[in-house]
Amino acid sequence: QTVVTQEPSFSVSPGGTVTLTCGLSSGSVSPSYHPSWYQQTPGQAPRTLIYSTNSRSSGVPDRFSGSILGNKAALTIRGAQADDESHYYCVLYMDSGIWVFGGGTKLTVL
Amino acid sequence: QVQLQESGPGLVKPSETLSLTCTVSGASISSSGYYWGWIRQPPGKGLEWIGNIYYSGTTYYNPSLKSRVTISLDMSKNQFSLQLSSVTAADTAVYYCARLSLWLEDYWGQGTLVSVAS
Repeated sequence: QTVVTQEPSFSVSPGGTVTLTCGLSSGSVSPSYHPSWYQQTPGQAPRTLIYSTNSRSSGVPDRFSGSILGNKAALTIRGAQADDESHYYCVLYMDSGIWVFGGGTKLTVL
Repeated sequence: QVQLQESGPGLVKPSETLSLTCTVSGASISSSGYYWGWIRQPPGKGLEWIGNIYYSGTTYYNPSLKSRVTISLDMSKNQFSLQLSSVTAADTAVYYCARLSLWLEDYWGQGTLVSVAS
């Protein structure tokens, strides 16, 4: 079965820029995988940040952006703030109608 | 505004069937182009996609759970449901329902914790 890969952890300084990635154990991510990105803080439901590669959900600051970088989907956070410290998950849509989540990235802002 | 709310028992005995319902408001589950799905998250772990049902009734399931999962629509109540059979402690998780789309914004419920224990 296809595995979706994410960095287990990442850190960024306040005000800095960080790019989290979402890849495949075999092959390249393209827009046809419709990558979405979610932010989750402890005890809360996931919040959709980005859908369909680079569309921002309502109310999401433009500090958050999605793209394809090389062979992976990417989430870039500019001007990192303390409350960006969360878990971030990506999900990819497979041709067969199956969706697969990545294992998530724990982002620390310090 | 689209809202989804999960409901169902918070405790299920091992080997029994877990049943949850998602009530949708602000949107019709018969609208074209949307998948109505279930996702779960075991305590302290990541998200796992369980399955979707398309507005047409076509279902798609996680291969690792396929033999135990059934997702169905109830158009008359604007609800969709999850049944997971033969549960074990490994099925203990927060279960989320969601409206998913390839092209449009997702909407998720707040989640409900289901524990499997005797």
